[in-house]
Amino acid sequence: EAEVAQSPRYKITEKSQAVAFWCDPISGHATLYWYRQILGQGPELLVQFQDESVVDDSQLPKDRFSAERLKGVDSTLKIQPAELGDSAMYLCASRGLYNEQFFGPGTRLTVL
Amino acid sequence: AQSVTQPDIHITVSEGASLELRCNYSYGATPYLFWYVQSPGQGLQLLLKYFSGDTLVQGIKGFEAEFKRSQSSFNLRKPSVHWSDAAEYFCAVGPSGSARQLTFGSGTQLTVLP
Repeated sequence: EAEVAQSPRYKITEKSQAVAFWCDPISGHATLYWYRQILGQGPELLVQFQDESVVDDSQLPKDRFSAERLKGVDSTLKIQPAELGDSAMYLCASRGLYNEQFFGPGTRLTVL
Repeated sequence: AQSVTQPDIHITVSEGASLELRCNYSYGATPYLFWYVQSPGQGLQLLLKYFSGDTLVQGIKGFEAEFKRSQSSFNLRKPSVHWSDAAEYFCAVGPSGSARQLTFGSGTQLTVLP
């Protein structure tokens, strides 16, 4: 069964350092999402791609976060510099035929 | 704007007991509705979805949900809970606007007692 891949699964970094997360969606899925999930809450959308284009990044803190999907397949989310408040689970998802979203296992980020 | 409310933050049931998790939504048209489950430290797994047709939908792991338009609800049920069902459950509604996004509820944490 096709799955969304993410790496790394866990990342510990010190504040002010740069971190990057990678996502490979289900093959053929044109729409890709990055979410941030704080413990005890639902996912909150950071950025949405349609192929290589950004559809919505209104909730992305652009002073420190960036996202790209250069060839319209895999995607990278970067934080520079990381802050203590960025500690969270970062989830990637891709969209299926009926608007269902398929999620990867996530990257748990801890900023010290 | 669309929204999802999961009124129960935390539910505790005994193993073998029946389960119902509540979800209420606000949406201007016929919604697409979803239930996801998340185990600790994991991503979200799709349990079931509704987009049209029969209002009672079956999902994986023995779960089902019923869409009730008059009540704007999409409650998740399971007749007999297993210890492995302990997890967090999220209801979601969509699509929203041209971007066709989902809106997630804040989740219900399920604890299963032996």
